[in-house]
Amino acid sequence: AQRVTQPEKLLSVFKGAPVELKCNYSYSGSPELFWYVQYSRQRLQLLLRHISRESIKGFTADLNKGETSFHLKKPFAQEEDSAMYYCAPYTGRRALTFGSGTRLQVQP
Amino acid sequence: NAGVTQTPKFQVLKTGQSMTLQCAQDMNHNSMYWYRQDPGMGLRLIYYSASEGTTDKGEVPNGYNVSRLNKREFSLRLESAAPSQTSVYFCASSDWEGNLGTGELFFGEGSRLTVL
Repeated sequence: AQRVTQPEKLLSVFKGAPVELKCNYSYSGSPELFWYVQYSRQRLQLLLRHISRESIKGFTADLNKGETSFHLKKPFAQEEDSAMYYCAPYTGRRALTFGSGTRLQVQP
Repeated sequence: NAGVTQTPKFQVLKTGQSMTLQCAQDMNHNSMYWYRQDPGMGLRLIYYSASEGTTDKGEVPNGYNVSRLNKREFSLRLESAAPSQTSVYFCASSDWEGNLGTGELFFGEGSRLTVL
C-alpha cells in the first residue's frame, strides 16, 4: 500500500543543535513532496516544497529517490522552530496525504 | 483577509446527534478538503472536492457526508455522531493547475468536536 511514514513522534533537541525530521514514502513513481508546519495556536501552513528546491527559515529537504526519503533538515535549531511538522506527498487526485507528524521541541 | 473560515470552533455532541461543520474560502480556489486530526495519526483526508460540483471520498469517509454548496463553501455533515468521531476537523482549500499545481493548501483554524 502507498503510504508515508514519519517514524518519530517527538524529537527533542537543544537550541543550536542540528535537526533532521525523517520522512519515508512508499509511492510508486516520483511524487511531489511537501513539508507542512503547525506552530502553537497557528494554522497548519506550507513550509517548503521539493519542486522549488528552496530553503525556508533555514530548513531544507532533499529528495532521495533511492531511499525514498524526504528528510527535513536544519543545521542550527532555534526555539521558534518548536512545532508539529508533517510530510505530505502529492500523488494525484488533487489531494495531499499527510504523514502522522513529528513534534519538534527545541529546548533553550 | 479571512482565507479559510470554519464554524463552529468547538462543539460537544451526544452520541447519535447530527451536526454540520461549515467552511468557506474567499480565495476563489477550485479545490476544498476536510481532514481530521487525531493524536498519533496526523491528518487524514475525509472528503474533498476537486472542483465545484464534484466530491470524492478520502481515506476515512465513513460516517460523514459533504456538500459543495458553491465555489466558496464546503460543508461536512455527521448524520449520527459516534465517540470515534471525536477529533479536530480542518477545512482547507487549494488551487490546482494541471496535475500538480502549487500544492499549497490553505487551512482553517480547526473545529474541535467532542462526542460523548
